[in-house]
Amino acid sequence: SAVISQKPSRDICQRGTSLTIQCQVDSQVTMMFWYRQQPGQSLTLIATANQGSEATYESGFVIDKFPISRPNLTFSTLTVSNMSPEDSSIYLCSVGGFEGEKLFFGSGTQLSVL
Amino acid sequence: RKEVEQDPGPFNVPEGATVAFNCTYSNSASQSFFWYRQDCRKEPKLLMSVYSSGNEDGRFTAQLNRASQYISLLIRDSKLSDSATYLCAVSGSGYSTLTFGKGTMLLVSP
Repeated sequence: SAVISQKPSRDICQRGTSLTIQCQVDSQVTMMFWYRQQPGQSLTLIATANQGSEATYESGFVIDKFPISRPNLTFSTLTVSNMSPEDSSIYLCSVGGFEGEKLFFGSGTQLSVL
Repeated sequence: RKEVEQDPGPFNVPEGATVAFNCTYSNSASQSFFWYRQDCRKEPKLLMSVYSSGNEDGRFTAQLNRASQYISLLIRDSKLSDSATYLCAVSGSGYSTLTFGKGTMLLVSP
């Protein structure tokens, strides 16, 4: 499986600010995804990060709030914009999951918004 | 009916016990099924895929029941280190992106 490095691993932020999370994979991958896991909840897919084009967002998530970049096949960023305490969550990037492939996760970013 | 449902538990079992979890899914067209293990404040880690014929990996056995639309995970001879939350993941129609259950918490005590 690919080695997925995610940073920062955790952060505490003030409301109204933005945080960019980076995800680096040690090999080229077709599919990269961003998930959120709020306390006591299941993993929820935010968007699919598409290389060379705009990300595909799931219902309830919009580009203005969660802009995503995917400049190449090994790297992606997720920005959480204009944060509020409701954004406190674990954010995870993942790779694989294409046509039945196994899905693997980065180590996650634990975000707390004050 | 929710897309993927799991009993949140916790399941409290003594060491050496056998424990089983089920996970029901709503989309009959789903093709991919997985069990993940998640330790507290850590990322989910793939435990095993679930195949139509069932599969076994050491103390862990996973099965798929398409007729009743559920998958199961059986853990034999539970270890303290098995204490974690077990998430099931199911694809949408065909091999689309995965939907996760909320997880079942397992606590194995001495």
